[in-house]
Amino acid sequence: SQTIHQWPATLVQPVGSPLSLECTVEGTSNPNLYWYRQAAGRGLQLLFYSVGIGQISSEVPQNLSASRPQDRQFILSSKKLLLSDSGFYLCAWSLAGNIQYFGAGTRLSVL
Amino acid sequence: GESVGLHLPTLSVQEGDNSIINCAYSNSASDYFIWYKQESGKGPQFIIDIRSNMDKRQGQRVTVLLNKTVKHLSLQIAATQPGDSAVYFCAEGDSNYQLIWGAGTKLIIKP
Repeated sequence: SQTIHQWPATLVQPVGSPLSLECTVEGTSNPNLYWYRQAAGRGLQLLFYSVGIGQISSEVPQNLSASRPQDRQFILSSKKLLLSDSGFYLCAWSLAGNIQYFGAGTRLSVL
Repeated sequence: GESVGLHLPTLSVQEGDNSIINCAYSNSASDYFIWYKQESGKGPQFIIDIRSNMDKRQGQRVTVLLNKTVKHLSLQIAATQPGDSAVYFCAEGDSNYQLIWGAGTKLIIKP
């Protein structure tokens, strides 16, 4: 069966510090991968998606970037965090269909 | 797609009663619709899906209804239990295998 792992679960970072959130999927090949952000009490905002290694599409111009160095690895990064980067970050995967399966999320607090 | 900028509407239901959560979708070309359940601090969890060539689909204690004429989707939960308390999101799928997310509805179960 397929599983998705996100880490860390919680992160507190100072403004201006770098960020690296990692997501890995097991049990499948060539998945579509997604990064979302969710503000408290709000819906999901798609940040990036990838249909293959090295292929990244950005949905919202901002302080973040994404990379896919391996087939089942998706990384969300920032060189300098802003206060507005605080939120709940979710990674998801899908195959040739629309159902996306989500990780447990990372709660990021930028102080 | 994103659903930011909207605070979550809330639905309060007595334990044991049926719940109906509604969603209006925007793209008449969408051919796939999904309901997700998100418990506090967790990632969204797939509940049930329906294709546009259907108008009803049933799962365990859940039923999804699709009305393409008015672009309306609903999720019915029978005999709600405390564990049903969560935020429920509808999402519509397009040919790009991305999801357009609804704003979400917070379901509160009263004892």
